[in-house]
Amino acid sequence: QVQLQESGPGLVKPSQSLSLTCTVSGASITTGTYYWGWIRQHPGKGLEWIGHFFYSGSTYYNPSLKSRVTISVDTSTNQFSLELTSVSAADTAVYYCAREGDTAKGYFHHWGQGTLATVSS
Amino acid sequence: EIVLTQSPATLSLSPGERATLSCRASQSVSSYLAWYQQKPGQAPRLLIYDASKRATGIPARFSGSGSGTDFTLTISSLEPEDFAVYYCQQRSNWPVYTFGGGTKVEIK
Repeated sequence: QVQLQESGPGLVKPSQSLSLTCTVSGASITTGTYYWGWIRQHPGKGLEWIGHFFYSGSTYYNPSLKSRVTISVDTSTNQFSLELTSVSAADTAVYYCAREGDTAKGYFHHWGQGTLATVSS
Repeated sequence: EIVLTQSPATLSLSPGERATLSCRASQSVSSYLAWYQQKPGQAPRLLIYDASKRATGIPARFSGSGSGTDFTLTISSLEPEDFAVYYCQQRSNWPVYTFGGGTKVEIK
């Protein structure tokens, strides 16, 4: 069973970059035809799709975040990462990594537990 | 961008009652809509995808219906563990996904 685990600094200063890593176990990022992605949730609010990728294909980003977001993959460690630049308090959120389902294509069936990233000086 | 509007914002019901949640899209998403359940401190859990298909391990009391712009998640008889927040998500506008604002199902 695929498992995902987010990690990264819990506190980031305004204007700096937020970097998070998702470690995948129980499956290889390079196996199958799955999209892997990042979703965030502002405190007490709803879900916001950040972006997703297919390891040997393209990466897609939320248009509202596209200028500040990069998703990258490290197949040697079976991890993928999120970098968000020029952060502000509005980027304080719980960040989830996730993978689409075997048959539920385009929907996130497997999720990490989430990690809270706080932007504050 | 396809906007998903969920209603009501909060639904107050008792265990055993039927819950009916709505998700309306700003333009047709065909049947490319999913429903998630989220409990406090937990990640969302996929319940329904492609409007009416139950995800693996999801109890039969959860059902989804609709197409085009109007969708419904029905919980036939609420169990204590069903009190949570529910979100809809569209993949029709691939590769851009959007989520609805959520409906909280609370104990009356």
